Amino acid sequence: EVQLVQSGAEVKKPGESLRISCEGSGYTFTIYWITWVRQMPGKGLEWMGRIDPIDSYTNYSPSFQGHVTISADKSISTAYLQWSSLKASDTAIYYCARISGSSLDYYMDVWGKGTTVTVSS
Amino acid sequence: SYELTQPPSVSVSPGQTASITCSGDKLGDKYACWYQQKPGQSPVLVIYQNHKRPSGIPERFSGSNSGNTATLTISGTQAMDEAAYYCQAWDSNTGVFGGGTKLTVL
Repeated sequence: EVQLVQSGAEVKKPGESLRISCEGSGYTFTIYWITWVRQMPGKGLEWMGRIDPIDSYTNYSPSFQGHVTISADKSISTAYLQWSSLKASDTAIYYCARISGSSLDYYMDVWGKGTTVTVSS
Repeated sequence: SYELTQPPSVSVSPGQTASITCSGDKLGDKYACWYQQKPGQSPVLVIYQNHKRPSGIPERFSGSNSGNTATLTISGTQAMDEAAYYCQAWDSNTGVFGGGTKLTVL
């Protein structure tokens, strides 16, 4: 079964760092890009960025560039999303998803269950 | 930056046809896809490449994309289709989601 397994919920204080993970299984991890999507409480989906696991090439939404870092370790089929200094406004559910398709026709066909991040003093 | 606009809400009676629109500049020149999200669940892909259905998605879901508007159509809407629906496209290698439409079946 193709699946993305995300790490568990986190509760952090403002200013702390955090890294959450997304492990792929049931498929060849290096063939598909991985993307991260934010959903703030009661709000819609926001595309954050994506990574090519084979060479760790990334591109980010301008809204998130410089605020988060996306990385991957292909040896363990895992992608990461990390913050160096969390803010209360980072409180959200973060989904990872697999990107299928070709250059003009990408789509997110497999989604993780989401990681809830709560940032509160 | 590129923007996709959806109506916040759409209502439909059971068995009727629901249409959800997604507007963006020259959206018809891009590929659009649609995701369904029920409360407390992860999004699910329901339409890709404007009109294709992934395996397991019922035939009542269909899509089109022309000009500045992509449309998700649900024929014979069922109570189980009540959910939020998001359109999505790519612009300059950046993913863009619409704001989402809450479909109410009543």
